[in-house]
Amino acid sequence: GENVEQHPSTLSVQEGDSAVIKCTYSDSASNYFPWYKQELGKRPQLIIDIRSNVGEKKDQRIAVTLNKTAKHFSLHITETQPEDSAVYFCAARSGGSYIPTFGRGTSLIVHP
Amino acid sequence: EAGVAQSPRYKIIEKRQSVAFWCNPISGHATLYWYQQILGQGPKLLIQFQNNGVVDDSQLPKDRFSAERLKGVDSTLKIQPAKLEDSAVYLCASSLEEFSYEQYFGPGTRLTVT
Repeated sequence: GENVEQHPSTLSVQEGDSAVIKCTYSDSASNYFPWYKQELGKRPQLIIDIRSNVGEKKDQRIAVTLNKTAKHFSLHITETQPEDSAVYFCAARSGGSYIPTFGRGTSLIVHP
Repeated sequence: EAGVAQSPRYKIIEKRQSVAFWCNPISGHATLYWYQQILGQGPKLLIQFQNNGVVDDSQLPKDRFSAERLKGVDSTLKIQPAKLEDSAVYLCASSLEEFSYEQYFGPGTRLTVT
């Protein structure tokens, strides 16, 4: 089955800095890569996703890049703000199963 | 549009007791998922329903966990008997159809087994 590794487990930045979270996956058939933000005690919410037919996608301060050859994808947050503080999960979804496998999460702390 | 509803939000039980969780997906969503999220980890899929049929339950510990979605709408997840390691947040999610990429999560039920 799919295996998703996520790094780092904790990321601390100053307000205004950029933050990058990286994930690798094992199943070359995976074709959909969502990112979720989970604030403390709240539900995971989809913030951005990318499909295997594109290499990069942006939405305001958030961007995701995908390298299918290397089987890794990354979340980039620019001009971080304290409200960006949360746990971020990457996931990979295989074209065969349509069931996402989640990474272990990255706790992002943005210091004002 | 109303989101995914779950109840209860919190539950504390002793080991070997039983517990049940309830989920009401977004109206019209055919696919329903139950996830287990242990503290510090990402959600792990337990079972996936398409309408009232099971699509995948390969990671459901069937000796103690059961789930049903009899009318293809609401779903219940039961644990009997509970173990200490079942302490986790149980998340329900739904999507429009089985091959729909986007999932919408409920607020979760935090279970503590003492």
